[in-house]
Amino acid sequence: NAGVTQTPKFRILKIGQSMTLQCTQDMNHNYMYWYRQDPGMGLKLIYYSVGAGITDKGEVPNGYNVSRSTTEDFPLRLELAAPSQTSVYFCASSIGNTIYFGEGSWLTVV
Amino acid sequence: TQLLEQSPQFLSIQEGENLTVYCNSSSVFSSLQWYRQEPGEGPVLLVTVVTGGEVKKLKRLTFQFGDARKDSSLHITAAQPGDTGLYLCAAKGGATNKLIFGTGTLLAVQP
Repeated sequence: NAGVTQTPKFRILKIGQSMTLQCTQDMNHNYMYWYRQDPGMGLKLIYYSVGAGITDKGEVPNGYNVSRSTTEDFPLRLELAAPSQTSVYFCASSIGNTIYFGEGSWLTVV
Repeated sequence: TQLLEQSPQFLSIQEGENLTVYCNSSSVFSSLQWYRQEPGEGPVLLVTVVTGGEVKKLKRLTFQFGDARKDSSLHITAAQPGDTGLYLCAAKGGATNKLIFGTGTLLAVQP
């Protein structure tokens, strides 16, 4: 019963490097989300998707890109990492009013 | 722009005290949820409210959805150290149905 799986769990990046946070879900949910969370704060929506082939910007999309080629996968791409992108990233999927979160990815940009 | 404002942002109280956390917006939502999050973990759903004026109780926690479905409150009676955590409201509405989270309330209950 995997649910939402995101990798890596921890990563340190140098300024200007690029990387992809992977997210996959095995529940056949149409809705998927990427959030970032700074310490002691709420989650801010980066991008979301309502189904394969469809993505849309959330509250803080700048500096990120996503794709949704399949129902299962929703990777988040950072092209030119900046210190402001140091945060915890949560992937999630939902059906109805129930949302399922991944375990989080801790990203530090130095 | 944050659509969901929570207050207070931080709250430190003694065990046994009561407290209320507020979640306010200028937008109308089809549903609103409350989550609790502990350090190093993802948010855990506490409750979902969908009807204006709705009140739900979960042991010592009472949740209320405003009549106009723009705001909500979470009241904790006789707080315990185990209630310590980050409390988040979240809501979705409109055609996109995207889920937006509030600014968060960090609660510390001292024994």
